[in-house]
Amino acid sequence: AQTVTQSQPEMSVQEAETVTLSCTYDTSESDYYLFWYKQPPSRQMILVIRQEAYKQQNATENRFSVNFQKAAKSFSLKISDSQLGDAAMYFCAYTSYGQNFVFGPGTRLSVLP
Amino acid sequence: DTEVTQTPKHLVMGMTNKKSLKCEQHMGHRAMYWYKQKAKKPPELMFVYSYEKLSINESVPSRFSPECPNSSLLNLHLHALQPEDSALYLCASSQVTGAISGELFFGEGSRLTVL
Repeated sequence: AQTVTQSQPEMSVQEAETVTLSCTYDTSESDYYLFWYKQPPSRQMILVIRQEAYKQQNATENRFSVNFQKAAKSFSLKISDSQLGDAAMYFCAYTSYGQNFVFGPGTRLSVLP
Repeated sequence: DTEVTQTPKHLVMGMTNKKSLKCEQHMGHRAMYWYKQKAKKPPELMFVYSYEKLSINESVPSRFSPECPNSSLLNLHLHALQPEDSALYLCASSQVTGAISGELFFGEGSRLTVL
């Protein structure tokens, strides 16, 4: 079965600094998608960024970028120029054809002013 | 419109009550989901509807009864719940199940407290 691991239960970053959240996963599939979801204290989960496994180029969305290492099964999220609004729970998630989403345990990110 | 709307936002019920949670989306998505989320934990899948048919039931107790009246609506009927069922219930939708491209769109959730 596929599993997603986030080894950092909590992280903190100074405002305007850069932080990297880690995620590793286990799968025997060759074709799959990876996601980072953000859940602020207001509760709604929103998609931050996604990566298709067949694409070698790392996805970027404004201040958010990923480091996707397929062979190592690693998918880290880098947040640049951190803002107070980035404070949230971040969940790494995996899905593949015919599979439902598998979520990691989450990393709580605090942003210090 | 990229919203998934859930009502009510908060619900308090006794163990003998019957209540329902509602979810609505107008994105044309054909897959809808119920997740249960405890504090500081990831969402746990409960049910999946695909093209208005129940496709996955993750061994959820029968005191939770899902219903999908049409492709835009998803209900979760609650009866004889236990205090340990208190949690945030999240509805989500995606274009289809089984497709590799679809992201999940989540509602804000319904915070359920069982007394």
